[in-house]
Amino acid sequence: EVQLLESGGDLVQPGRSLRLSCAASGFNFGDYAMHWVRQIQGKGLEWVAGITWNSDSIGYGDSVKGRFTISRDNAKNLLFLEAKSLRVEDTALYYCGKGSGRRSFEWRPVDYWGQGTPVTVSS
Amino acid sequence: DIVMTQSPDSLAVSLGERATINCKASQSLLHTSTNKDYLAWYVQKAGQPPKLLLYWASTRESGVPDRISGSGSGADFTLTISSVQPEDVAVYYCQQFYTSPLTFGGGTKVEIK
Repeated sequence: EVQLLESGGDLVQPGRSLRLSCAASGFNFGDYAMHWVRQIQGKGLEWVAGITWNSDSIGYGDSVKGRFTISRDNAKNLLFLEAKSLRVEDTALYYCGKGSGRRSFEWRPVDYWGQGTPVTVSS
Repeated sequence: DIVMTQSPDSLAVSLGERATINCKASQSLLHTSTNKDYLAWYVQKAGQPPKLLLYWASTRESGVPDRISGSGSGADFTLTISSVQPEDVAVYYCQQFYTSPLTFGGGTKVEIK
């Protein structure tokens, strides 16, 4: 069974940094692209970042480009999101997602989602 | 960036009736090398993460009932629920995965009339 468990969400002040983690199990993590998607409470979905199975291609949403960094450790089945210079508007529930399509160099949709970790940016 | 526009924002449908949700992309999502439309649909029920329903515009994910279907190509797509059931009450999102940044539509809330 595919499981994705996010952690690291917290209440932080504007301008500070946070590192989110996602522990994956139940599939061959190193074979699949992974994504971070966020959702402001009561609002829609926003793709934050994605990373291909071998880290060959990385993409970011416009609102986080230059501030957030996605990375992965295939040996430990872990996905990360380093969020710097956090803003009030970054407050959201952050989901980790598994991309479909084994060893694809194309972006593919998210076929499994975690439950999310909440990030609150407030002074 | 590709802008995804969904309509309507919400709709109320009687049980057993048809629900239709539209999704329009600001450019074609048809990849000429694969002849596939890089468009997915998700459903999100209250308090839950989203769930993938369809990809390549019309291919159902495993376990998705056949009353849910997708159609369209290029830049115009439709999600149809042929006979709405109580468990279909949710918010539906389209997403393009043609190019980074991947982008979602604003969502359509489906309720029972």
